[in-house]
Amino acid sequence: DTGVSQNPRHKITKRGQNVTFRCDPISEHNRLYWYRQTLGQGPEFLTYFQNEAQLEKSRLLSDRFSAERPKGSFSTLEIQRTEQGDSAMYLCASSRGQHNGYTFGSGTRLTVV
Amino acid sequence: GESVGLHLPTLSVQEGDNSIINCAYSNSASDYFIWYKQESGKGPQFIIDIRSNMDKRQGQRVTVLLNKTVKHLSLQIAATQPGDSAVYFCAESQDNNDMRFGAGTRLTVKP
Repeated sequence: DTGVSQNPRHKITKRGQNVTFRCDPISEHNRLYWYRQTLGQGPEFLTYFQNEAQLEKSRLLSDRFSAERPKGSFSTLEIQRTEQGDSAMYLCASSRGQHNGYTFGSGTRLTVV
Repeated sequence: GESVGLHLPTLSVQEGDNSIINCAYSNSASDYFIWYKQESGKGPQFIIDIRSNMDKRQGQRVTVLLNKTVKHLSLQIAATQPGDSAVYFCAESQDNNDMRFGAGTRLTVKP
């Protein structure tokens, strides 16, 4: 197992375009989380899944954001009609469940120009 | 609303000295805490965790202290090394919900 894998590592897109990121969690982890991190700040929670069910969404997750985790394995995070304010590092993490530390991926850095 | 934060944004120590990084949390119902280390260009890396029924937990060169009375968490790093230079985050959760992170402290280790 190579840990949590995120693709792509970097994405530059023009404002108004749609982007999709992928996260492959550690295989035996049933929980998967998406966070957003801007420079100099801690990660901000976006949403999380337990298996294929999306259990919580932050108010940060506007209508332009959607996340899926089909079959409870990998997850995708899509941002529609990107805005410059969406520029950030998008981090994915997985865990085995209650009160277990997260394992984070290396993130996808999004730049909207 | 409730938040997690850190006392100091930066900390500079001499190689070989001990480091103490502090964190204040405001949600008295938080029952699980984690310290993470984040190096430039990488995701946060788990260091050590502690549950609210404990006051202290030790790992390799690291110790986490939890004071629930004043809602304070600290990370102690013994014999700090250059490889310890990074941003350190505390995070908390309540009732098996998602982790909430503070803003981080940048630790710089001087040779």
